[in-house]
Amino acid sequence: GQNIDQPTEMTATEGAIVQINCTYQTSGFNGLFWYQQHAGEAPTFLSYNVLDGLEEKGRFSSFLSRSKGYSYLLLKELQMKDSASYLCAVRGYTGGGNKLTFGTGTQLKVEL
Amino acid sequence: DAGVTQSPTHLIKTRGQQVTLRCSPKSGHDTVSWYQQALGQGPQFIFQYYEEEERQRGNFPDRFSGHQFPNYSSELNVNALLLGDSALYLCASSPGRAPRPTNTGELFFGEGSRLTVL
Repeated sequence: GQNIDQPTEMTATEGAIVQINCTYQTSGFNGLFWYQQHAGEAPTFLSYNVLDGLEEKGRFSSFLSRSKGYSYLLLKELQMKDSASYLCAVRGYTGGGNKLTFGTGTQLKVEL
Repeated sequence: DAGVTQSPTHLIKTRGQQVTLRCSPKSGHDTVSWYQQALGQGPQFIFQYYEEEERQRGNFPDRFSGHQFPNYSSELNVNALLLGDSALYLCASSPGRAPRPTNTGELFFGEGSRLTVL
């Protein structure tokens, strides 16, 4: 099975940097995803890590350590529109398939 | 290029009734997955369809069933509705059942169907 933990809520200031952590336990690993979900909207893809290290994409970066079962999403130069839920999800490896197991999400509030 | 579309967007049912939710995948995608998202929770995997067959299933009872059509669209059926079935039902599509070297295999989600069971 798979278990994913991430903080429930975080608050940060506009223009600042915030790091959202995610730890996971899985019987098989075939990639880790971060999704952003605004209230009442569909989750949208932010980043993907399958090898250890940092992936950078504009203001967003994601890091993975497979040996530690750990990932983080780094958001720089925070904007008010970044207020949303951030979902960490792991893709297992059970003979193929594309099933994702999601954490409960971290609700980020960006304040002035 | 239309993304993933779902219908209906909102619906209200009573306990014991049955519901059918529909999903059209993103153009070029042949794999459809269904997720249930309760308020304040992350999406929970229900099942995945590929080539008109259920390929993977999460921990959901047999009351939850589905179907995929030759045009890759899909339906989710829930029988004997319970109050606890109230949730946002998300459909997600991807290009192929398993990730390929040319893409990450990320899921593209629809806006969801919000089901309320009274």
